[in-house]
Amino acid sequence: GEDVEQSLFLSVREGDSSVINCTYTDSSSTYLYWYKQEPGAGLQLLTYIFSNMDMKQDQRLTVLLNKKDKHLSLRIADTQTGDSAIYFCAEISNTGKLIFGQGTTLQVKP
Amino acid sequence: DSGVTQTPKHLITATGQRVTLRCSPRSGDLSVYWYQQSLDQGLQFLIQYYNGEERAKGNILERFSAQQFPDLHSELNLSSLELGDSALYFCASSVDPQTGSSTDTQYFGPGTRLTVL
Repeated sequence: GEDVEQSLFLSVREGDSSVINCTYTDSSSTYLYWYKQEPGAGLQLLTYIFSNMDMKQDQRLTVLLNKKDKHLSLRIADTQTGDSAIYFCAEISNTGKLIFGQGTTLQVKP
Repeated sequence: DSGVTQTPKHLITATGQRVTLRCSPRSGDLSVYWYQQSLDQGLQFLIQYYNGEERAKGNILERFSAQQFPDLHSELNLSSLELGDSALYFCASSVDPQTGSSTDTQYFGPGTRLTVL
């Protein structure tokens, strides 16, 4: 079946690195995505990774993909208070719909 | 700003009523998706349109319907509203779905917050 799992909460100190983890079930997903949702706002696309890649780096963001274990992670370096938000991992099904995890609330303490 | 627009931003209505949510996709995007975000169900896919035709259906109630017009904007119609329909409704668009390429990437609008009293 189609399922995406994330831990619900992560708390870090400003300046530390944050690592948000996600597991998915559909091995045929071509792309995997990370979206960010700030309070009262919509979903902002942060980054995505093609399924045949292991890693993608984009400024402070690093995405790691372990296709064998169906595990995806998002690392935010030098986490800032402005990074406080809910982060959603999503896989794309073969029908084109996105299947989202429950979202991880990142709390950044000053 | 993703380039996807949704109106209205907020909608408050009563049970039993009918509402229409509107979405304009990014310029050049042919596919529109509707998602519902609620506290108990999380983010759930409702329905997808591609170039005016329904492409895929998800957990969409029979009381809900959608369409995509020739100018590619889309409307989601919710009728016989119940308290449980209160949620944030997102529209997303992509260039061309199911190509297995980055053109599948979906960009989301700001959402319409529906409150049913």
